[in-house]
Amino acid sequence: AQSVTQLDSQVPVFEEAPVELRCNYSSSVSVYLFWYVQYPNQGLQLLLKYLSGSTLVESINGFEAEFNKSQTSFHLRKPSVHISDTAEYFCALTPNTGTASKLTFGTGTRLQVTL
Amino acid sequence: DTGVSQDPRHKITKRGQNVTFRCDPISEHNRLYWYRQTLGQGPEFLTYFQNEAQLEKSRLLSDRFSAERPKGSFSTLEIQRTEQGDSAMYLCASSDPDRVAEAFFGQGTRLTVV
Repeated sequence: AQSVTQLDSQVPVFEEAPVELRCNYSSSVSVYLFWYVQYPNQGLQLLLKYLSGSTLVESINGFEAEFNKSQTSFHLRKPSVHISDTAEYFCALTPNTGTASKLTFGTGTRLQVTL
Repeated sequence: DTGVSQDPRHKITKRGQNVTFRCDPISEHNRLYWYRQTLGQGPEFLTYFQNEAQLEKSRLLSDRFSAERPKGSFSTLEIQRTEQGDSAMYLCASSDPDRVAEAFFGQGTRLTVV
């Protein structure tokens, strides 16, 4: 069985400040890792993903995440946040087995950016 | 942009009534998933189709829930004899068989049982 832990349910931050949203996972098999973002009353949008290769992955809007196998972590970072980054962020995984690819999600972290 | 489409966006129903939701996946995607998201929680997997075959069902999918994908295109999720605990956002996602791990989500159907 797999699980995802997002210890911070809410992260308040001022605009232009850096932010880190933490994600730890547990799995007995290799996994693919994802960060999804959800704006109010919307579905989930894929922010970035780690499938293989470089452990540092980046999104088009300045977010990055680093896969750390020894610490079983996939923390999300942004050096300078904007008001528009206010949203719920979900870390998720799926087994790297090449078959069914259901996602297991964490409970989410609400990022609140203020002026 | 022909993303994943869900209908209706919102549904309010009385306890004990039946409801049905529809999901239209991205046209070339043969995999379709249903998730349920309650307030303050992450989405939880309910069931998954590859083409018209339902390949996996979560234990969360009680006997009152049934999902179909009769022609391997759109899917329906029906809840019979709704209960207040069924109130949630129901999310549909689809994926490309050549890009197994990447799922695209619809905007969801928010169900409120009163």
